[in-house]
Amino acid sequence: GAVVSQHPSRVICKSGTSVKIECRSLDFQATTMFWYRQFPKQSLMLMATSNEGSKATYEQGVEKDKFLINHASLTLSTLTVTSAHPEDSSFYICSAYMASDSPLHFGNGTRLTVT
Amino acid sequence: QKEVEQNSGPLSVPEGAIASLNCTYSDRGSQSFFWYRQYSGKSPELIMSIYSNGDKEDGRFTAQLNKASQYVSLLIRDSQPSDSATYLCAVRWGSARQLTFGSGTQLTVLP
Repeated sequence: GAVVSQHPSRVICKSGTSVKIECRSLDFQATTMFWYRQFPKQSLMLMATSNEGSKATYEQGVEKDKFLINHASLTLSTLTVTSAHPEDSSFYICSAYMASDSPLHFGNGTRLTVT
Repeated sequence: QKEVEQNSGPLSVPEGAIASLNCTYSDRGSQSFFWYRQYSGKSPELIMSIYSNGDKEDGRFTAQLNKASQYVSLLIRDSQPSDSATYLCAVRWGSARQLTFGSGTQLTVLP
């Protein structure tokens, strides 16, 4: 089945630093990947749609200069949280489709803690 | 605005009982429906997908879709304590690629 790998699973960083999260599709090519964020006790909120070879599409209210997305290949998308602040502490999850109408498959998520 | 609504619960059922989870959505243009299970601190995992009206069964799980009434439900038969998790309903509208998620229903199966 489809496998989406996300790394790191957990990261702690100091306020003001940047953190990069990688998302890989291991056994399929993903022209589109999605980045979600989930705060405690809340549902998943779509942050942005990552498109291979082109700019990401950000949801309303998500700062594109703060959350940099790069989708340089058909199997890799990265999310960089720049100048992180404690309010950016959250659970970040990437996802991708294996085919156009297939279910969305999720990576294992990255727990970001900004101190 | 397209919305997906779920009763946040918590829903508690005894072991061996049937757990019934419901989800309503706001737009008739939706085409694809999914149920995900999310354990605390983990990412969601797919349980069922359903695309047409009626029932779809997979082991202990049955998804039910009624597009006219705009609801989709998930039944879990012979509930086990390991089924205790948050269940997320997700909808994909028309040709859109992203999913819209409900807020989730927290299920607790009591041994």
